[in-house]
Amino acid sequence: AQKITQTQPGMFVQEKEAVTLDCTYDTSDPSYGLFWYKQPSSGEMIFLIYQGSYDQQNATEGRYSLNFQKARKSANLVISASQLGDSAMYFCAMREGIGGGTSYGKLTFGQGTILTVHP
Amino acid sequence: DVKVTQSSRYLVKRTGEKVFLECVQDMDHENMFWYRQDPGLGLRLIYFSYDVKMKEKGDIPEGYSVSREKKERFSLILESASTNQTSMYLCASSLGRRVTEAFFGQGTRLTVV
Repeated sequence: AQKITQTQPGMFVQEKEAVTLDCTYDTSDPSYGLFWYKQPSSGEMIFLIYQGSYDQQNATEGRYSLNFQKARKSANLVISASQLGDSAMYFCAMREGIGGGTSYGKLTFGQGTILTVHP
Repeated sequence: DVKVTQSSRYLVKRTGEKVFLECVQDMDHENMFWYRQDPGLGLRLIYFSYDVKMKEKGDIPEGYSVSREKKERFSLILESASTNQTSMYLCASSLGRRVTEAFFGQGTRLTVV
């Protein structure tokens, strides 16, 4: 079964508008973390934001926020005030066993969503 | 800044060749990973290592092996390259068991002809 699902292969947004990139996950581990990465056309993976399963508040980092709905097992990325430089591939990823388990930092990734920001 | 460096950005090899992809990190990270990235499939874990000389299979280890003789270096080996191993390969590293993000290298685009 797919552990991380990103159902939007591609998304388009107008510059300065907000956009939500969807991510759902599947785990039976009560201790896990969710990450979002950005991959521009140059290929490097840039870490954006992290949410722990026990965190009470949704994570925010500048224009990025994570809409964490634990009961629905979703961790959507919200980008506010989109910029042309936000055009990239975005990956959602999960790390299980953060409560002292033996995951050794393994990340499981979704398929990715290509975001295009129009001027 | 953490730096993860992969030895080649682009590589073209012939079918049947033995291929070495090298990865070096400079932040004393315990964990190192090799992923391959294919369109529509995201990143898939090939192998990872949590200590020197320690390695574990990921989700798609077939046709690959790894070596970690020193903490800072993690090598991916294609014993006999095949065309279905044409892909983007990404190396990553992270701290021990603390929950921090993984840092990635710039990727190696391997073409097997």
